Amino acid sequence: SQTIHQWPATLVQPVGSPLSLECTVEGTSNPNLYWYRQAAGRGLQLLFYSVGIGQISSEVPQNLSASRPQDRQFILSSKKLLLSDSGFYLCAWSENAGGRWDYEQYFGPGTRLTVT
Amino acid sequence: GENVEQHPSTLSVQEGDSAVIKCTYSDSASNYFPWYKQELGKRPQLIIDIRSNVGEKKDQRIAVTLNKTAKHFSLHITETQPEDSAVYFCAAGGYSSASKIIFGSGTRLSIRP
Repeated sequence: SQTIHQWPATLVQPVGSPLSLECTVEGTSNPNLYWYRQAAGRGLQLLFYSVGIGQISSEVPQNLSASRPQDRQFILSSKKLLLSDSGFYLCAWSENAGGRWDYEQYFGPGTRLTVT
Repeated sequence: GENVEQHPSTLSVQEGDSAVIKCTYSDSASNYFPWYKQELGKRPQLIIDIRSNVGEKKDQRIAVTLNKTAKHFSLHITETQPEDSAVYFCAAGGYSSASKIIFGSGTRLSIRP
């Protein structure tokens, strides 16, 4: 069966510090991968998605970046965190059938980031 | 691009009553409409989805209806139970990244005992 891991589970970082959140998927190959941010009491904002190794699409211009160095690894980074980067970060995957989007997304447990 | 609006943002119903959450979307090319449930402190999970070739789908106490002409779809929960308390997200999108899945802002549903 497929599983998705995210770490760390919680993180407190000062403004201006770097960030690296990691997501890995097991039990599937060539998945679509997604990074979402969920601000307190808000919806799911799509930040980045990837349909293959090295293929990253950005949805929201900001100080965050994403990389996919391996098929089932997705990394969210920042060189300098802002207060507004605080939130709940969710990684998700879905089946990649020719790059289609209309399949169930499976979410990871999330990382709660607090920027102080 | 797609824009999804969801109403209401909060909803409180008596246990045993029905709950209805409504969403509208803007992109007429959208043809996939999933609903996710997120319990407190947990990850969102798919509870039901519908594609544009059907107008209604039901799974036990949960049903979703789709009106493609009006570009709106709704989630109906009947005989609500305490475990239905959660945040519900609608989403809309299509087959490709040209019409990616976009989520609504969520509805916090509370079931009163």
